[in-house]
Amino acid sequence: GAVVSQHPSWVICKSGTSVKIECRSLDFQATTMFWYRQFPKQSLMLMATSNEGSKATYEQGVEKDKFLINHASLTLSTLTVTSAHPEDSSFYICSASPPGTSGSSYEQYFGPGTRLTVT
Amino acid sequence: AQKITQTQPGMFVQEKEAVTLDCTYDTSDPSYGLFWYKQPSSGEMIFLIYQGSYDQQNATEGRYSLNFQKARKSANLVISASQLGDSAMYFCAMRPAHYRGSGNTGKLIFGQGTTLQVKP
Repeated sequence: GAVVSQHPSWVICKSGTSVKIECRSLDFQATTMFWYRQFPKQSLMLMATSNEGSKATYEQGVEKDKFLINHASLTLSTLTVTSAHPEDSSFYICSASPPGTSGSSYEQYFGPGTRLTVT
Repeated sequence: AQKITQTQPGMFVQEKEAVTLDCTYDTSDPSYGLFWYKQPSSGEMIFLIYQGSYDQQNATEGRYSLNFQKARKSANLVISASQLGDSAMYFCAMRPAHYRGSGNTGKLIFGQGTTLQVKP
């Protein structure tokens, strides 16, 4: 199957600093990528839809200025957590789908996730 | 509104026995897909099985089968012959059909998840 990578796999940062998480599709081009957030023992919460060459679409309640998303190429989307606070500590997962897919059956390929701890 | 509901926060099953994980969904879209994912403690999301809303037969993938009852809007996952490695969190998810101009973004809507523990 297709491979999506994330970097870093885990990161610890100090409160007030910014941290960037990369999501790459390694063997396919992705016009759309999704960013999820997951707290321990809870479900995945969609944060935003990242569209190559255009602005991301954020879900209700997600702060656009705090979670900056840039989808600069067909293989890379980045999520930057700005001015991080301890409550931003979470597991962040991205997923991607190849372009040209339609219908409901196409699979989303998930990255391995990034565990962020803000101290 | 589109919603996925998993009512079993935790389940136990004896090794080698079968287990059913419940999932109900709500949508007004005529075309949609239903997915099950497994998430072990490592955090990776592992795709298990897919069922399309127009599929006449229940999906099967090895030890996994999906009991799709469209009228009841349920899509239960059945794992046969449970193994210790099946211990993980399981998520049911739904996606409406994503066609150009449909307005759907193709995003997945996840249920709350069920933690399955397989006992030796």
